Amino acid sequence: QSALTQPASVSGSPGQSITISCTGTSSDVGTYNLVSWYQQHPGKAPKLIIYEGSKRPSGVSNRFSGSKSGNTASLTISGLQAEDEADYYCCSYADGGSYVFGTGTKVTVL
Amino acid sequence: EVQLVESGGGLVQPGGSLRLSCAASGFTFSSYSMNWVRQAPGKGLEWVSYISSIITIYYADSVKGRFTISRDNAKNSLYLQMNSLRAEDTAVYYCARIGSGSQLDVWGKGTTVTVSS
Repeated sequence: QSALTQPASVSGSPGQSITISCTGTSSDVGTYNLVSWYQQHPGKAPKLIIYEGSKRPSGVSNRFSGSKSGNTASLTISGLQAEDEADYYCCSYADGGSYVFGTGTKVTVL
Repeated sequence: EVQLVESGGGLVQPGGSLRLSCAASGFTFSSYSMNWVRQAPGKGLEWVSYISSIITIYYADSVKGRFTISRDNAKNSLYLQMNSLRAEDTAVYYCARIGSGSQLDVWGKGTTVTVSS
């Protein structure tokens, strides 16, 4: 149950696009198309922004998109806005019925 | 409104016990699987435990044998019994509903557990 690997930080200017990677193994990301992404502002609970790799819940901006290739999932935020500054976590369903989260990425809007 | 509200956190000494509760409202609780997730101060999210609607249960290795997840569908409530607590169990504990794609689609605001002498 090792955490999925994410970059510690990613930054971009308003209007730019950024991509956050999430690398797992064949026991989680590589086998299951059940990767989700969460946005967490300081002191708040996480919020679901992407599920099943690329689906957006109702009400989530279409500036957020997800994809997967092999053992790596990715979250892209396009048209970066000040309100996107937050921590982002990936999560995958894994063998044995468990879940595994990513190490987390702090997004800074310059 | 779909809502989850955790309670039961607090300060406990190492080796002690605590029982967390999560009250669900606004949806058919009995139909959903649920997770407990925790976040240590300044750290990332960590999955703790899972319980399905038919009482299939899984635990993270870090809590196996010490924590017990349960649910009472009549009371629309989820529980986490935590025994033999350690300093490293100090965290905000969130309950979360699991959607059809295994996503954690509804989260509570969390309850804080501090293990310290």
